[in-house]
Amino acid sequence: AIQMTQSPSSLSASVGDRVTISCRASQDIGNDLGWYQQKPGKAPKLLIYAASTLQGGVPSRFSGSGSGTDFTLTISSVLPEDFATYYCLQDNNSPYTFGQGTKLEIK
Amino acid sequence: VQLVESGGGVVQPGRSLGLSCAASGFTFRGYAFHWVRQAPGKGLEWVSLISYDGTKKYYADSVKGRFTISRDNSKNTLDLQMNSLTAEDTAVYYCALTGTYSGMDVWGQGTTVIVSS
Repeated sequence: AIQMTQSPSSLSASVGDRVTISCRASQDIGNDLGWYQQKPGKAPKLLIYAASTLQGGVPSRFSGSGSGTDFTLTISSVLPEDFATYYCLQDNNSPYTFGQGTKLEIK
Repeated sequence: VQLVESGGGVVQPGRSLGLSCAASGFTFRGYAFHWVRQAPGKGLEWVSLISYDGTKKYYADSVKGRFTISRDNSKNTLDLQMNSLTAEDTAVYYCALTGTYSGMDVWGQGTTVIVSS
């Protein structure tokens, strides 16, 4: 199975900061990667699919980049509603796999 | 556009439980669906995927041979039959229409499964 290594596991930031979260795949997955945001008690929400395509309705401060094995989610200027946990998901090859998650906390 | 799960509950180790997911507001038969779970205080775990026509089914290693995914395109429903349950299967289970190739992102509200004696 493809392993997804996500870093960091937690991140403290202030409103207005630029933050970056990384995911590394154990083998080439092309651009078959999505980024999800999850808030406590809620279902995940897709932010980015195909590594860099913004899901409809998602603010443009979110962006994704990368291909192959290394991927990045960037929030250009963090807003209060962005404090949540973020996950990557590879859907290139079954079994699909999530990263371990990154909890974005208020500094 | 909505997915609504049902069937969660408390079940003893070694027993079985079936989950269902009812879809509405879109063309159900045109899409592949996932089950994703989240154990208490843990991260997301992908569980299973079924193709749009039900001919292809994929499973996480942790559930292969114990869980069976199925769908009924005439009823717009998705099911997950879970056998030989263990405490490690305790989680909130979500059905989802999501991913790189779906063009959509729709999740159910989640249904809780607790495996305990």
